[in-house]
Amino acid sequence: RKEVEQDPGPFNVPEGATVAFNCTYSNSASQSFFWYRQDCRKEPKLLMSVYSSGNEDGRFTAQLNRASQYISLLIRDSKLSDSATYLCVVFTGGGNKLTFGTGTQLKVEL
Amino acid sequence: DAGVTQSPTHLIKTRGQQVTLRCSPKSGHDTVSWYQQALGQGPQFIFQYYEEEERQRGNFPDRFSGHQFPNYSSELNVNALLLGDSALYLCASSSGVLAGDWEQYFGPGTRLTVT
Repeated sequence: RKEVEQDPGPFNVPEGATVAFNCTYSNSASQSFFWYRQDCRKEPKLLMSVYSSGNEDGRFTAQLNRASQYISLLIRDSKLSDSATYLCVVFTGGGNKLTFGTGTQLKVEL
Repeated sequence: DAGVTQSPTHLIKTRGQQVTLRCSPKSGHDTVSWYQQALGQGPQFIFQYYEEEERQRGNFPDRFSGHQFPNYSSELNVNALLLGDSALYLCASSSGVLAGDWEQYFGPGTRLTVT
């Protein structure tokens, strides 16, 4: 089993739609959780951290369920500029190691 | 303030050759991590350097080696290249390993093609 597993993509949605991505992780000792965004042929960039209480940043909402080892990302009112690959990332202690999921590709269309 | 820089941007090598990739961390950062990202996959952790020593290593063969210099810059070396080594190689820098500062900043990557 992979350490971090994500929804298979791609997701093709119309502009203005709401889309949700899911992710599960296998290591119960994982400490921190994040969503990264990666544009085509570019480096990953931090989108937002994920907390148990849930956190929101504009149109983006992230949730963590430690009991189920499940992470989610909700994007409301999708924009064309949201088209990218979204990577679920888990931080495990013992020295800054980040474990990435394979990523889910989002395409927002007119 | 310069971010993470990597060189070269692109590289084409032949099977069996050796390659060296370079990374300069973000100003103020002392820890460098290397990742391999194959097409359609997420980045996979190769290893991490701090205080010129390899601190952690992912599941990569000994053909992958590295080095960190006193100015915190780093090199990734790959020997006996295989076709499967074709990927985007990402360098990420961070600060304060001991302080638990996790946030890593990625460079633009080096795209390696092995023919």
